[in-house]
Amino acid sequence: GDSVTQMEGPVTLSEEAFLTINCTYTATGYPSLFWYVQYPGEGLQLLLKATKADDKGSNKGFEATYRKETTSFHLEKGSVQVSDSAVYFCALRFGGTSYGKLTFGQGTILTVHP
Amino acid sequence: DSGVTQTPKHLITATGQRVTLRCSPRSGDLSVYWYQQSLDQGLQFLIQYYNGEERAKGNILERFSAQQFPDLHSELNLSSLELGDSALYFCASSEGIQADSSYEQYFGPGTRLTVT
Repeated sequence: GDSVTQMEGPVTLSEEAFLTINCTYTATGYPSLFWYVQYPGEGLQLLLKATKADDKGSNKGFEATYRKETTSFHLEKGSVQVSDSAVYFCALRFGGTSYGKLTFGQGTILTVHP
Repeated sequence: DSGVTQTPKHLITATGQRVTLRCSPRSGDLSVYWYQQSLDQGLQFLIQYYNGEERAKGNILERFSAQQFPDLHSELNLSSLELGDSALYFCASSEGIQADSSYEQYFGPGTRLTVT
C-alpha cells in the first residue's frame, strides 16, 4: 500500500540554522504531496503542497520539490525561527476512488532554540 | 482558526464505555474526514463522508462508526473502549469530494480521548 517515510526525529536547531526534513514515499501512480505543520495544542495546518513532478511548493520561507525520480519531497528552510518549533508531517493524497484521504508520515518534531 | 469545530476538547472515560465525538465542518464544505493520532500508530485515516454518504474507509475498527447528518455535521461513535483507543481524534473538512486532489483539507483542533 501507499506509505510515507520521514527522517527520524526529533530535530533540534539554533535560530537561523538551515533546516532539512527528509520525506520519501511509496505509491502506485503519482500522488499529490503535502507538508502539514502541527503547533502545540492545535490541529494540522497545510504548509505547502505540490501536485505533480518537479512542482515546488513554498510558504513562509519553507520549500519542497516533488522529485518523481527519487520519490521524495524534502522540506527545507534557509533560516529557522523559534516560532517554527512544531511537528511536521509529510503526506500524500490521491484523488479518484481514494476520495482524497491523506496518508501521513510519522511526523518530525522540530525544536528551535534562540 | 480553520473554521472546523470539534467537541469536546477532552474526554476521559473508562474501558468498556461508549463515547461520541462531534465535528462541524467549515461553512459550505461537504466532505468530512476523521483521523486518529496515537503514539504507536501515528496519524491514520479512519473514514470519510460526503454530503451524508460514506465514501471511503481506512483503518477503522468495527467498534467505531460514524455518520454525517443533513446539516453536514458529523459524529464519530466509539464503543467498547479499550486502553489502546486513547488518542487524539481529528476531523477535517473540504469543499468537494477531491476526485482531482485539488481541494484542501482543513483540520479541527481535535478531541483528546483518554481511556482509563
